[in-house]
Amino acid sequence: KNEVEQSPQNLTAQEGEFITINCSYSVGISALHWLQQHPGGGIVSLFMLSSGKKKHGRLIATINIQEKHSSLHITASHPRDSAVYICAVTLNRDDKIIFGKGTRLHILP
Amino acid sequence: AAGVIQSPRHLIKEKRETATLKCYPIPRHDTVYWYQQGPGQDPQFLISFYEKMQSDKGSIPDRFSAQQFSDYHSELNMSSLELGDSALYFCASRRRAGTGELFFGEGSRLTVL
Repeated sequence: KNEVEQSPQNLTAQEGEFITINCSYSVGISALHWLQQHPGGGIVSLFMLSSGKKKHGRLIATINIQEKHSSLHITASHPRDSAVYICAVTLNRDDKIIFGKGTRLHILP
Repeated sequence: AAGVIQSPRHLIKEKRETATLKCYPIPRHDTVYWYQQGPGQDPQFLISFYEKMQSDKGSIPDRFSAQQFSDYHSELNMSSLELGDSALYFCASRRRAGTGELFFGEGSRLTVL
């Protein structure tokens, strides 16, 4: 079992829909990162969370430390949001960063 | 604001050749990570450095070596290149103290022919 699990693996939605991507982890972490990667492009850090909730524009990230679960929400989704969204965690035992396998999001105009 | 700089952005090599990738972390960042991302795959951890010392090693082949220099930039050296080494190589940096937020370079795309 992977230490970081994301769901769904693939998601197609219409422009304007509310999007939720989930991440569960099974290890002790000091931080959780949500990353975005456009096709053929580099990785951009969207959020780093150790507790609670963060908001940036149309993106909201939440984390529940007790349940070892985080969600990334996109409100009023737009075709330019189409990308792979990756959840990664920083392990508190050795500072290593473990990546989830990503969620491929496709927003249709 | 300065970001993580990687060079070269694109590199084409032939089998059995050698390649060197460079990563310049954000100023005052003391930790550097190297990742390899094959086509359609998630990033795989190769190696990391903290304060110029190797801090962790992942699935890095013996043909690869890396180091972090006194100015905190890091280089990934790859020898006897194989076709399977074709990938996007990412560098990420962070400062362990403070927020510890992770910043990624745009990657170096290596193609081995």
